[in-house]
Amino acid sequence: SAVISQKPSRDICQRGTSLTIQCQVDSQVTMMFWYRQQPGQSLTLIATANQGSEATYESGFVIDKFPISRPNLTFSTLTVSNMSPEDSSIYLCSVDHGGGTGELFFGEGSRLTVL
Amino acid sequence: AQSVTQLGSHVSVSEGALVLLRCNYSSSVPPYLFWYVQYPNQGLQLLLKYTSAATLVKGINGFEAEFKKSETSFHLTKPSAHMSDAAEYFCAVSDGITSYDKVIFGPGTSLSVIP
Repeated sequence: SAVISQKPSRDICQRGTSLTIQCQVDSQVTMMFWYRQQPGQSLTLIATANQGSEATYESGFVIDKFPISRPNLTFSTLTVSNMSPEDSSIYLCSVDHGGGTGELFFGEGSRLTVL
Repeated sequence: AQSVTQLGSHVSVSEGALVLLRCNYSSSVPPYLFWYVQYPNQGLQLLLKYTSAATLVKGINGFEAEFKKSETSFHLTKPSAHMSDAAEYFCAVSDGITSYDKVIFGPGTSLSVIP
């Protein structure tokens, strides 16, 4: 299994500001995935982060709005830029621990409220 | 493109009654299918997965699911509901089970258990 720590666990932000979410894994992993879960909704994949290369973004998500860093095999950050109330969501970091199981491990999420 | 539908955004059962949560998928290749559970204010946890072995899959906490290719379904069941089963349940699909394969989540079903 993998233990994932996310910071902050929750925050209240002002419109127009940016916030960076950190994701730390207790072991080295190849891919890290960032999901968004809007209130009462399912998870939507924002991007996939591979160490040493630029993140791959899903349709509807762009690097200028959600820049991602992946400096090593245990850490990643997601920044939510120029926030608006529509960005109020839970942002979840997840990893596939490998070994061909297909199982994703999730952090507890970062709950952002934008006023 | 892969997609997942879950019939019923809210399901309510009595304690001790059968739990049935429905999931149908669409995939252009043989799918890998998952059920995840999310307890309040927590990240997601894998319940069970289908990866082309046995069509009847047993998971944690007494849950099981059956893969039916002809019906493109992967419904989740539990013979007797417990109060602790109250949570959000997500069905998910993937093309593969390597670290590079994206997992697409369904809209979720909220399960309530009535004493």
